[in-house]
Amino acid sequence: AQSVAQPEDQVNVAEGNPLTVKCTYSVSGNPYLFWYVQYPNRGLQFLLKYITGDNLVKGSYGFEAEFNKSQTSFHLKKPSALVSDSALYFCAVSFRTDSWGKLQFGAGTQVVVTP
Amino acid sequence: DAGVTQSPTHLIKTRGQQVTLRCSPKSGHDTVSWYQQALGQGPQFIFQYYEEEERQRGNFPDRFSGHQFPNYSSELNVNALLLGDSALYLCASSQAAGTGSYEQYFGPGTRLTVT
Repeated sequence: AQSVAQPEDQVNVAEGNPLTVKCTYSVSGNPYLFWYVQYPNRGLQFLLKYITGDNLVKGSYGFEAEFNKSQTSFHLKKPSALVSDSALYFCAVSFRTDSWGKLQFGAGTQVVVTP
Repeated sequence: DAGVTQSPTHLIKTRGQQVTLRCSPKSGHDTVSWYQQALGQGPQFIFQYYEEEERQRGNFPDRFSGHQFPNYSSELNVNALLLGDSALYLCASSQAAGTGSYEQYFGPGTRLTVT
């Protein structure tokens, strides 16, 4: 079965420190991978995607993510966290061929950045 | 450039009633997907519309139906509402498969409360 997992319910980090939010997936074949962020009472905002090519992808607001095929992971990173990065982060996967566009989301990771 | 818009913002319905939610996609997008996000969970894929047809469907009962109009806007209809249908309903738009654009852009959502 195809699935995506975010093993941490919450990540706490001090402002200025590196931020990592973990995501692993289980698929047959090559997935499309995405990160989204959700602020309270808001929809999801697209951060970045991996489709093909370089394993390190850069996105909005200084975020980046590394695709690791051998470990089936797509961790989100930011070198220096800001208090404004406090939000709910979702990893999502979509599959090629006839399942394109059907995003499957992880349960989400709450990021708390303290001043 | 207008993003994805949804209406209404909030809705309160009684069990057994029917509800219609509306979505206008981002300019230039022709594919609309609907997701249900229960409290504390990641979004769950309901279905996707392209060229006015349902192209993919998630694990939702037939009480959930939709429509896409020639201007690419879409409606989500839910019949015989249950208490468990209370959730944030998210609409996402994207370009069709094969265009080279893979990310979906989400609207702010409609908060449905069933009493």
